[in-house]
Amino acid sequence: GAGVSQTPSNKVTEKGKYVELRCDPISGHTALYWYRQSLGQGPEFLIYFQGTGAADDSGLPNDRFFAVRPEGSVSTLKIQRTERGDSAVYLCASRGSGANVLTFGAGSRLTVL
Amino acid sequence: AQSVTQPDIHITVSEGASLELRCNYSYGATPYLFWYVQSPGQGLQLLLKYFSGDTLVQGIKGFEAEFKRSQSSFNLRKPSVHWSDAAEYFCAVGATSNTGKLIFGQGTTLQVKP
Repeated sequence: GAGVSQTPSNKVTEKGKYVELRCDPISGHTALYWYRQSLGQGPEFLIYFQGTGAADDSGLPNDRFFAVRPEGSVSTLKIQRTERGDSAVYLCASRGSGANVLTFGAGSRLTVL
Repeated sequence: AQSVTQPDIHITVSEGASLELRCNYSYGATPYLFWYVQSPGQGLQLLLKYFSGDTLVQGIKGFEAEFKRSQSSFNLRKPSVHWSDAAEYFCAVGATSNTGKLIFGQGTTLQVKP
């Protein structure tokens, strides 16, 4: 597609529930990144995919967070047993091979009640 | 530790006035530096970047930034602010080995008075 698409744009869930957030990167972009932006803060790196594999998951806060990219295109960020502290905007970005800049999606706003 | 500091959380300027947003970084090697802008409900848009070469870089929307290694700074400037510039601005540093893995500052919210 023309840009990075993220769905849903808004998600409200209850504490303890499971959530999936989807990212559809720019077609042909091999690198995909997930960031989390809490209220009043700058985005924080979560995980980076190069192709299908997670090349760097050092930013995932704990084992409740997991992400996949099975076919090297669409990625899903999965959050188990959500907590109120997980409330944030989750941003996805992609980068083409040989490029040095990211293109960000509009984000998925997650609210955990 | 690597970090980015944006000392000003909130700035208000009059339309037509000049603007400077401050950014200081701490990074062990030569950094890649970026400024992004975020409008409400929008994704981050790249304004400009510095990788090497001329330390004064030009970006979109009339913005420029100057890399000063001695001061570990990368301040963003615009000579005349427009009302549409009201947004949140983020400075970020990226590793040369992985330019997509960014460390962002806390952000500066710009308000423009008519």
